Amino acid sequence: DAGITQSPRHKVTETGTPVTLRCHQTENHRYMYWYRQDPGHGLRLIHYSYGVKDTDKGEVSDGYSVSRSKTEDFLLTLESATSSQTSVYFCAISYREGEQYFGPGTRLTVT
Amino acid sequence: QKEVEQDPGPLSVPEGAIVSLNCTYSNSAFQYFMWYRQYSRKGPELLMYTYSSGNKEDGRFTAQVDKSSKYISLFIRDSQPSDSATYLCAMSPLANSGGSNYKLTFGKGTLLTVNP
Repeated sequence: DAGITQSPRHKVTETGTPVTLRCHQTENHRYMYWYRQDPGHGLRLIHYSYGVKDTDKGEVSDGYSVSRSKTEDFLLTLESATSSQTSVYFCAISYREGEQYFGPGTRLTVT
Repeated sequence: QKEVEQDPGPLSVPEGAIVSLNCTYSNSAFQYFMWYRQYSRKGPELLMYTYSSGNKEDGRFTAQVDKSSKYISLFIRDSQPSDSATYLCAMSPLANSGGSNYKLTFGKGTLLTVNP
């Protein structure tokens, strides 16, 4: 257990509504990541953070925004959810080059 | 050509078999190579971590990296039903000051089933 929690663990929402997913770490690591995992696509990086208020885009960032106001929390926001954003979302942390530890995931369904 | 290629399987073996899982890659800058295990409806779990070329062994698991061929492997000896999972390879280059090279590139995963 890498000290990562994600909330909520499951969510069903309607198209067009905003959604915020939270990732919380207890170990004060600098690097945090948000991924989505879909059949046939594997894990794809949405956004990542390398410090408080320091974030950057990953390969599938369109439709998503992130914020990190505290070291321990990394928030992922879907401003206006679409059905194509139905997925499993994983948060990860890193404290050594190349090595990442994942949270338990959030299963999001957009109807 | 995708940066990381991994045969999705599925792969089904009898208990006790030796399992070989493989990935190929195209980016010669990759220096760190990882294998993750993911059980159904769980998050990926780091299984093996290797820097540059060579072998690394941990119990029944052996990771091999051949940078000259851009090929990595994970071997599981005496496979058990509890090894049934999806195995993901991942890799990254050396980190730079901006941190962008802490990003991992993943294969799509191989689904393994070990039958009792």
